Amino acid sequence: EAGVTQFPSHSVIEKGQTVTLRCDPISGHDNLYWYRRVMGKEIKFLLHFVKESKQDESGMPNNRFLAERTGGTYSTLKVQPAELEDSGVYFCASSLRGTHNTEAFFGQGTRLTVV
Amino acid sequence: GESVGLHLPTLSVQEGDNSIINCAYSNSASDYFIWYKQESGKGPQFIIDIRSNMDKRQGQRVTVLLNKTVKHLSLQIAATQPGDSAVYFCAENPNYGGSQGNLIFGKGTKLSVKP
Repeated sequence: EAGVTQFPSHSVIEKGQTVTLRCDPISGHDNLYWYRRVMGKEIKFLLHFVKESKQDESGMPNNRFLAERTGGTYSTLKVQPAELEDSGVYFCASSLRGTHNTEAFFGQGTRLTVV
Repeated sequence: GESVGLHLPTLSVQEGDNSIINCAYSNSASDYFIWYKQESGKGPQFIIDIRSNMDKRQGQRVTVLLNKTVKHLSLQIAATQPGDSAVYFCAENPNYGGSQGNLIFGKGTKLSVKP
């Protein structure tokens, strides 16, 4: 079974440009999460989808970040315009819904560098 | 312990010894805790979890201890192997209700195993 996959694995963009990160969750997983880790800091929650609906987006830093999950399958996270402080590793995770202690499986992450 | 800036706390152990990694969590209302292992270039990998109604849980070569009085979590790895070398994160879920979401991660501890 394929795990959570993220694309691209690395992205280097200039300040002010737009970048779109993609996450393909494990098939059948309703829950999809975005996290990020900026240099020297903890992994921080960004938002949580249940199918195509945003369950919790309290961790989104500002309105330059837009996450979508049309059709409840893959998700995209767009940063527009990118700023230097957006550099970090962006992780996606997915889990089943409706069962106790459902394990969240993480992708390998996308390393974003804004120069 | 606490990390400063870019530096993670590091634990160096001899192969075959037992390892103990500690974590202080922040939210006294959190009722579900997870340990993750992150190897270089990969996303966090679930190791073991524990609910707040327990104080100890054992897995294969790993044991998690929870002390709610002092908000402390520890991960014990028996007979540490070179493949255990990684960064270990504790995470708390203050919104436990059937699936993991909105996890609060600790800063991580780097475990190095000497052959």
